[in-house]
Amino acid sequence: GAVVSQHPSWVICKSGTSVKIECRSLDFQATTMFWYRQFPKQSLMLMATSNEGSKATYEQGVEKDKFLINHASLTLSTLTVTSAHPEDSSFYICSARDIAGGPLEQYFGPGTRLTVT
Amino acid sequence: AQTVTQSQPEMSVQEAETVTLSCTYDTSENNYYLFWYKQPPSRQMILVIRQEAYKQQNATENRFSVNFQKAAKSFSLKISDSQLGDTAMYFCAPGRGSQGNLIFGKGTKLSVKP
Repeated sequence: GAVVSQHPSWVICKSGTSVKIECRSLDFQATTMFWYRQFPKQSLMLMATSNEGSKATYEQGVEKDKFLINHASLTLSTLTVTSAHPEDSSFYICSARDIAGGPLEQYFGPGTRLTVT
Repeated sequence: AQTVTQSQPEMSVQEAETVTLSCTYDTSENNYYLFWYKQPPSRQMILVIRQEAYKQQNATENRFSVNFQKAAKSFSLKISDSQLGDTAMYFCAPGRGSQGNLIFGKGTKLSVKP
């Protein structure tokens, strides 16, 4: 149980275009989902926290107009990178908390590798 | 701001031996959780073990155990009987706030050698 999927697993897009990444909780309902960014050989950096039906809370320094997050249902959150630039190339990971509770444990998706050319 | 320090960027251990990864953190909260995650080459984050700060007893999960020193804000991970499959990046992550936002340390790259 507690499986989180991400789609796509790898995407290449051209500079100036937008790309959407989906995060789904497959076998549980998630009130809260998180989006992280990970550069090569570095740690995970929390970008934003999203709660179902409300606006996402962005971490300091993260551009909310560039990284659009939508959490429209208890099983789906999306991250849209708008007007992508090569510096947006990174590994994006989502995680989700089970609505049923538990010790604040987060279940992670397998990640999406974004390459902007 | 909450900070997490993992002072060992890389470590190696022989198969079947024991290794301890260190982590210190800073927090102003009293009730919180702490986690160790591993990230193998597949990059899938996997929960290794968790500790509730209000519990004095150290958490244990099979070959993995922690040494939690709340006053010192220290949370080390001990891996016993190391296996080749333990080779991965290990991240210490305290939970923050009511939603449990995780703040990750920079990680320790562990290599288990045959």
